[in-house]
Amino acid sequence: DGGITQSPKYLFRKEGQNVTLSCEQNLNHDAMYWYRQDPGQGLRLIYYSQIVNDFQKGDIAEGYSVSREKKESFPLTVTSAQKNPTAFYLCASSIQGLNYGYTFGSGTRLTVV
Amino acid sequence: EDQVTQSPEALRLQEGESSSLNCSYTVSGLRGLFWYRQDPGKGPEFLFTLYSAGEEKEKERLKATLTKKESFLHITAPKPEDSATYLCAVQALDWGDSSYKLIFGSGTRLLVRP
Repeated sequence: DGGITQSPKYLFRKEGQNVTLSCEQNLNHDAMYWYRQDPGQGLRLIYYSQIVNDFQKGDIAEGYSVSREKKESFPLTVTSAQKNPTAFYLCASSIQGLNYGYTFGSGTRLTVV
Repeated sequence: EDQVTQSPEALRLQEGESSSLNCSYTVSGLRGLFWYRQDPGKGPEFLFTLYSAGEEKEKERLKATLTKKESFLHITAPKPEDSATYLCAVQALDWGDSSYKLIFGSGTRLLVRP
């Protein structure tokens, strides 16, 4: 079955540590996105990529980095510069240029310990 | 500034008690409005896309409608399994790079009691 796989489901980060969240899709979608979700708030866009080897900052990119070396993969690194990283992270993909909306992964919950 | 507002924040219903969720928006370059359902600890699940004022979509006990400034998600005779957070998102043009992005509301948490 086609879909988006995020891993791990739960992740714990120590102060000053970088961590990487994985996102893989087999939907052959061109565009991929990373969102952050905090309690009582809407999803906020961190980074997005419309094609391989190209990506753009979203509304809250500070303290995060991404890469898009393959169409199927869009990993997100939460760096030590992100001072409040505890949140639920969602990866999504879409067919760029068409009005189909996004397909989401099941999310990664990151907690600072 | 593009904005999406959902109300109420939380809604408690008895099983069978119909109600509506609201999503109001102020965006330029609107391309579509989306409704998603999100269960705790999971990613949003797509429900509907609406493109133009007057359009309606239905799925089981859910019916989504769209006007020029807002959308409603009507829930008829809800069941406990309809309990979830319902998210509204508007696809709008980003004038900076000419791409379309989703702008999400903060959601309505629905609890249906048996």
